[in-house]
Amino acid sequence: DAKTTQPNSMESNEEEPVHLPCNHSTISGTDYIHWYRQLPSQGPEYVIHGLTSNVNNRMASLAIAEDRKSSTLILHRATLRDAAVYYCILRAWGSGSARQLTFGSGTQLTVLP
Amino acid sequence: GAVVSQHPSWVICKSGTSVKIECRSLDFQATTMFWYRQFPKQSLMLMATSNEGSKATYEQGVEKDKFLINHASLTLSTLTVTSAHPEDSSFYICSAEGGELFQSTDTQYFGPGTRLTVL
Repeated sequence: DAKTTQPNSMESNEEEPVHLPCNHSTISGTDYIHWYRQLPSQGPEYVIHGLTSNVNNRMASLAIAEDRKSSTLILHRATLRDAAVYYCILRAWGSGSARQLTFGSGTQLTVLP
Repeated sequence: GAVVSQHPSWVICKSGTSVKIECRSLDFQATTMFWYRQFPKQSLMLMATSNEGSKATYEQGVEKDKFLINHASLTLSTLTVTSAHPEDSSFYICSAEGGELFQSTDTQYFGPGTRLTVL
């Protein structure tokens, strides 16, 4: 499985933008980049995903490097409710085990008031 | 986004008893459902994958006779922990995805999790 590398933790001030990095140097051409986040004692929540182009939705933006070996999740204005563990996951196109999500240790985001 | 529910949200049971956890997709048909386990301070670990109407596929090291999974309909999957022991105490989370088969752009939607404590 293609692996991702994320910082263990990051801090941000409330109402400031947050850039969460993810390295995936062994990404293959058919791997999609997915981001999920998990608040304490809750199931993960889908945030965003992309393949090659940058993506925006109501929650965040995803910036993907031109060589696709890294990506950055951008929260435009962090709130206290954004404090969570953020997971960057590669998911291959295809069937069977390729559909699985393999969770790493993620990045614990702390938002300071 | 799509909504996935789990019931119960928490359960406490005695050692040796069995516990059933339900996972429902509320507003979409889930062709595939996944069951994860998460121990404190650790990440999610996939236990098994189930497709509606067929037997679940278990990950290596997960006992299929201990963790019974049934995916009888497109909106319901159940996980039964049989003869539970204290080491089975964990946070159990299901996820569901729908849409076309073999499309990995499909998003997995997660349930809120079930906290199991075995005394």
